[in-house]
Amino acid sequence: DAEITQSPRHKITETGRQVTLACHQTWNHNNMFWYRQDLGHGLRLIHYSYGVQDTNKGEVSDGYSVSRSNTEDLPLTLESAASSQTSVYFCASSVGTGGPYEQYFGPGTRLTVT
Amino acid sequence: LAKTTQPISMDSYEGQEVNITCSHNNIATNDYITWYQQFPSQGPRFIIQGYKTKVTNEVASLFIPADRKSSTLSLPRVSLSDTAVYYCLVEGTGRRALTFGSGTRLQVQP
Repeated sequence: DAEITQSPRHKITETGRQVTLACHQTWNHNNMFWYRQDLGHGLRLIHYSYGVQDTNKGEVSDGYSVSRSNTEDLPLTLESAASSQTSVYFCASSVGTGGPYEQYFGPGTRLTVT
Repeated sequence: LAKTTQPISMDSYEGQEVNITCSHNNIATNDYITWYQQFPSQGPRFIIQGYKTKVTNEVASLFIPADRKSSTLSLPRVSLSDTAVYYCLVEGTGRRALTFGSGTRLQVQP
């Protein structure tokens, strides 16, 4: 079955380190998204991509970067981790253009920056 | 983007019908209303989407009045497993990302 996976599921890192969170989907979806969710709050958009080589900033993109070299993967990089980036990170994907389309979410990565 | 307003929390009992109303006064002509459900430690899951009048699927019904400034998600005969956070979103056609509010935390009691 097609799916969307995230790794690692849990990560503890130190302030100042570079961290990369992986997201992989097997639906062949063009659109991929990264959100963060802080305790007791809704999701906020970090970055998104509408296809290979396309990336766009969301509302909370400072300190994060993404690259899209193939359809299946959208890794999220924290350039220099900060305590304010402690959060749960969700990756999502949706099919092509014309929408709005249902987004499929991954299981999440819980990141702790100490 | 149209802003949505929904109750912070609701309580219900097993077997009851639950209606969660969402206000979206600035909805645009091309916008759709979508609801997602999120269980603890999981990503959100699509429940239902509609443009006007009524939409029903195996999980829920969505009621949208003629002016489309609000919508109501109806969950028939809830069970304990329906305890979750429910998000109302307004999204246009195209490939735009989703804008989540704080959602409604539904607690179903036995």
